Amino acid sequence: GIQVEQSPPDLILQEGANSTLRCNFSDSVNNLQWFHQNPWGQLINLFYIPSGTKQNGRLSATTVATERYSLLYISSSQTTDSGVYFCAVGVSGSRLTFGEGTQLTVNP
Amino acid sequence: KAGVTQTPRYLIKTRGQQVTLSCSPISGHRSVSWYQQTPGQGLQFLFEYFSETQRNKGNFPGRFSGRQFSNSRSEMNVSTLELGDSALYLCASSLSVGETGGYTFGSGTRLTVV
Repeated sequence: GIQVEQSPPDLILQEGANSTLRCNFSDSVNNLQWFHQNPWGQLINLFYIPSGTKQNGRLSATTVATERYSLLYISSSQTTDSGVYFCAVGVSGSRLTFGEGTQLTVNP
Repeated sequence: KAGVTQTPRYLIKTRGQQVTLSCSPISGHRSVSWYQQTPGQGLQFLFEYFSETQRNKGNFPGRFSGRQFSNSRSEMNVSTLELGDSALYLCASSLSVGETGGYTFGSGTRLTVV
């Protein structure tokens, strides 16, 4: 099956810093999404981005489907950005394959 | 509008027992998908239900089953529990089958098997 690799596995930042999270996938996909898992376990859908670039406030994402990677940018990080960020891909239908996540800690 | 509601939030069961978890989707959402999250295996797809029918199934043993009711609420059942079934079980609802871009996840049920 398709493989999804995220880097870095852990990231510690000071409040106000910028960061880039990367997601590599092993095959062509129809669907790519970024999620944030909050401390209560809930997965929040950040971006649906099978290709191109999107921005939402301090967050933006870019997917280069032909090169099989996606990047999530977080600017001016805040302590509330802490948590685990997951990249998930879909080949067909409704099954998402998740990466192992990036654990982000933003210190005040 | 109300979000996706999963009950119970926490559960402790003994090996060999069975357990039933519930997921109430957002009003108007007719598809419910289930995922298992463990430290070792990460997030893995269990199954998806739409219109009371299982539409897609992940690679899990037959001890894992589910169903969906006419009001779109879904339940999943795990029989003959094993220690390795300890996990956070997440459900996601969407308007229709396969619409993962429109997923809204619940906060999960944390199952501990002792």
